[in-house]
Amino acid sequence: DTGVSQNPRHKITKRGQNVTFRCDPISEHNRLYWYRQTLGQGPEFLTYFQNEAQLEKSRLLSDRFSAERPKGSFSTLEIQRTEQGDSAMYLCASLTWTGTGSGNTIYFGEGSWLTVV
Amino acid sequence: AQTVTQSQPEMSVQEAETVTLSCTYDTSESNYYLFWYKQPPSRQMILVIRQEAYKQQNATENRFSVNFQKAAKSFSLKISDSQLGDTAMYFCAFMKLRGSNYKLTFGKGTLLTVNP
Repeated sequence: DTGVSQNPRHKITKRGQNVTFRCDPISEHNRLYWYRQTLGQGPEFLTYFQNEAQLEKSRLLSDRFSAERPKGSFSTLEIQRTEQGDSAMYLCASLTWTGTGSGNTIYFGEGSWLTVV
Repeated sequence: AQTVTQSQPEMSVQEAETVTLSCTYDTSESNYYLFWYKQPPSRQMILVIRQEAYKQQNATENRFSVNFQKAAKSFSLKISDSQLGDTAMYFCAFMKLRGSNYKLTFGKGTLLTVNP
């Protein structure tokens, strides 16, 4: 499977606990994105990496959220002291920009569902 | 900032018929991409079709085609010969090219149900 891989697919946690999600992008893709999606809404941008550098963070990414991409390969998204409002699907996506029209498409993983109880 | 509006929260169509999903967007950019993504009940977001703003010709992919009206900032998706497997959420998305982060801005989606 050469697509974007995310795990765990589902996570139920108690309020106040920490959770971590992992994303393995398509191997040749140097750009990696995290989005959050709640029921009935479109995905909302959280953060973006180019190789190992985190170049943009949304205001949605509070201090309790941290993302890393060591060595520019896989990425992790950690949520500390989870709150019920963090319940959502967390989507990872990757892209390599070819500079021409045909190859520039963002590919998504299956997402990681978080339920905070 | 860019905004994407999908004014139809839900739509339904009979199998084998044609349906059009609407999308409008607001931007001051002149160079951008537009996308339609499909998210079936299994939840993985799948690319349906892409349109580069500098191209006047409307994109087509098999049964899927778009009507891109740049001046009107409109980007509708037409699905011909609808199939049961087309049942899904459909999201319109905008990608700004200036600035080089290439992130997507999504609309709220349209839930399409194809009835047998």
